[in-house]
Amino acid sequence: AQSVTQPDIHITVSEGASLELRCNYSYGATPYLFWYVQSPGQGLQLLLKYFSGDTLVQGIKGFEAEFKRSQSSFNLRKPSVHWSDAAEYFCAVGVKTSYDKVIFGPGTSLSVIP
Amino acid sequence: NAGVTQTPKFRILKIGQSMTLQCTQDMNHNYMYWYRQDPGMGLKLIYYSVGAGITDKGEVPNGYNVSRSTTEDFPLRLELAAPSQTSVYFCASSYSGAGLIHEQYFGPGTRLTVT
Repeated sequence: AQSVTQPDIHITVSEGASLELRCNYSYGATPYLFWYVQSPGQGLQLLLKYFSGDTLVQGIKGFEAEFKRSQSSFNLRKPSVHWSDAAEYFCAVGVKTSYDKVIFGPGTSLSVIP
Repeated sequence: NAGVTQTPKFRILKIGQSMTLQCTQDMNHNYMYWYRQDPGMGLKLIYYSVGAGITDKGEVPNGYNVSRSTTEDFPLRLELAAPSQTSVYFCASSYSGAGLIHEQYFGPGTRLTVT
């Protein structure tokens, strides 16, 4: 069965430090991969997505993610974190079944220390 | 574009009561979804719809019902509310086409408490 794991439940970084959030997926074929961000009390917003092509994808707010097929990973990175990046981050995998199924990981909560 | 709108934002129900969570999108998306979000559990799919008049169960459909009479609206009905339905509910929509899976657009959520 398809699944998404995010090994880190909570991460704390200092403002200005670099960030990497981990995501691993289980799926037999080439997946559609997404990262979403959820600010407190808000819905989810798409940060970036990967369908095919260049394995390093750029997103909004200075985020990027790299697809590594050999590791079944799609880690999210940002070179310098801002206090406004504090939020919940969800990795997701899209699977073509009888409908466009999207499976979400459990999320990683990011805190930013000034 | 308002995107995906949900009402109400908050609601407290007593056990056994019923209610409808409203969801409307103005992007002419054919796909619509209802999720519930519980702490540390990510999002679980309750129901989805691939177009007006077509709905199907997701991962956790028990205790819920949906309808899709128009492209824009996808209400979620809770019958006989139970404490286990205390959660945050999100509606989402997406375009479907070109053989791809497209990103979902989310509403702001409804926080429901059943006591």
